[in-house]
Amino acid sequence: GAVVSQHPSWVICKSGTSVKIECRSLDFQATTMFWYRQFPKQSLMLMATSNEGSKATYEQGVEKDKFLINHASLTLSTLTVTSAHPEDSSFYICSAKRGGGATEAFFGQGTRLTVV
Amino acid sequence: AQSVTQLDSQVPVFEEAPVELRCNYSSSVSVYLFWYVQYPNQGLQLLLKYLSGSTLVKGINGFEAEFNKSQTSFHLRKPSVHISDTAEYFCAVSDPVGGNKLTFGTGTQLKVEL
Repeated sequence: GAVVSQHPSWVICKSGTSVKIECRSLDFQATTMFWYRQFPKQSLMLMATSNEGSKATYEQGVEKDKFLINHASLTLSTLTVTSAHPEDSSFYICSAKRGGGATEAFFGQGTRLTVV
Repeated sequence: AQSVTQLDSQVPVFEEAPVELRCNYSSSVSVYLFWYVQYPNQGLQLLLKYLSGSTLVKGINGFEAEFNKSQTSFHLRKPSVHISDTAEYFCAVSDPVGGNKLTFGTGTQLKVEL
């Protein structure tokens, strides 16, 4: 299978600062990447979909100015949580999908963000 | 719009016993169906998927699932579970036309006991 790597796996930051999370497809080119947020003991909620070279499409209720997504290359997408607050603390997971009608998305290992 | 219902939030089972994790979905279009497993503080690993063809799908780690269109179900089964199967299991659907975005169920915590 394909490998998707997320970095960092966990991060603690102070309230008001920004945090960047990277999602890399290590052995394939990811035309589309997805960013999810997962609260404790809950399901994954899709935040946004990003296609390489174009602006991300955000789900309803997700603040695009707060959660900045960049998909500048076919192997890298980044999620930046700007002016983080404690309520942004969560588990963030990315997934990546090949192009050409691929049906399966491969998931990163997730990033635990704690804002203090 | 699609939705996924996993009615059982927790399923306790003894080791070597069979288990079934239930998943029902609703959609106005044909969908792809998936089961994922998540271990604590990790991402998701694909167990199996149904795209088309045979309704009985076999996956990794001895799991299988059966697609039932009339009942809009995709229940996950394993004939004999192991302690290492303890994890969170998510059922998901995607719309092939809508960019294959995944919609997840709320998850089922499978706890295998000795």
